[in-house]
Amino acid sequence: GENVEQHPSTLSVQEGDSAVIKCTYSDSASNYFPWYKQELGKRPQLIIDIRSNVGEKKDQRIAVTLNKTAKHFSLHITETQPEDSAVYFCAANSGYALNFGKGTSLLVTP
Amino acid sequence: ETGVTQTPRHLVMGMTNKKSLKCEQHLGHNAMYWYKQSAKKPLELMFVYSLEERVENNSVPSRFSPECPNSSHLFLHLHTLQPEDSALYLCASSQDPQSGGAPDTQYFGPGTRLTVL
Repeated sequence: GENVEQHPSTLSVQEGDSAVIKCTYSDSASNYFPWYKQELGKRPQLIIDIRSNVGEKKDQRIAVTLNKTAKHFSLHITETQPEDSAVYFCAANSGYALNFGKGTSLLVTP
Repeated sequence: ETGVTQTPRHLVMGMTNKKSLKCEQHLGHNAMYWYKQSAKKPLELMFVYSLEERVENNSVPSRFSPECPNSSHLFLHLHTLQPEDSALYLCASSQDPQSGGAPDTQYFGPGTRLTVL
């Protein structure tokens, strides 16, 4: 089945810096790549997604890039703020299923 | 509460108990999912229902039994669980991807924190 690898597992940045999280996937048929943010004790919430017909998508301080040839996609957060601190999960679809990475714990220090 | 709701939010049970988790979605979706979230592990898909039919069962032990009576409700029946089944159980819903179509966004419920003693 699909295997999604996510790095790094933890990331600490200073407020205002950028954060980058990278994921790779194995199923060449995957065509949907969402990113979820999960704050402590709360449900995962979609922050941005990208489909295989585009290479990049941006929403304010958040951007995602996709390289289908290399089977990797990345999340970029610019001008980080303390409220960006959370666990971020990438995922890639395999049919109905979403296969998730293990998560990246992001800490933004003031 | 709108969106996807789950009850109970916390559950402690012994290994010989039988209990059920409930999920309800108010988004008009027709696909529903059960995930297991354990510490240090990725979210694991357990079951998928689309249009009230089970379409995926990811080698889940038979002590977990799903039920989807209609497109708005999803249950997970639990019996003779093991301590390693302790985890956060998340329900999600989406529009059915349609055969060959692009997947749609999945919206998660708040989860049930399950502890098996």
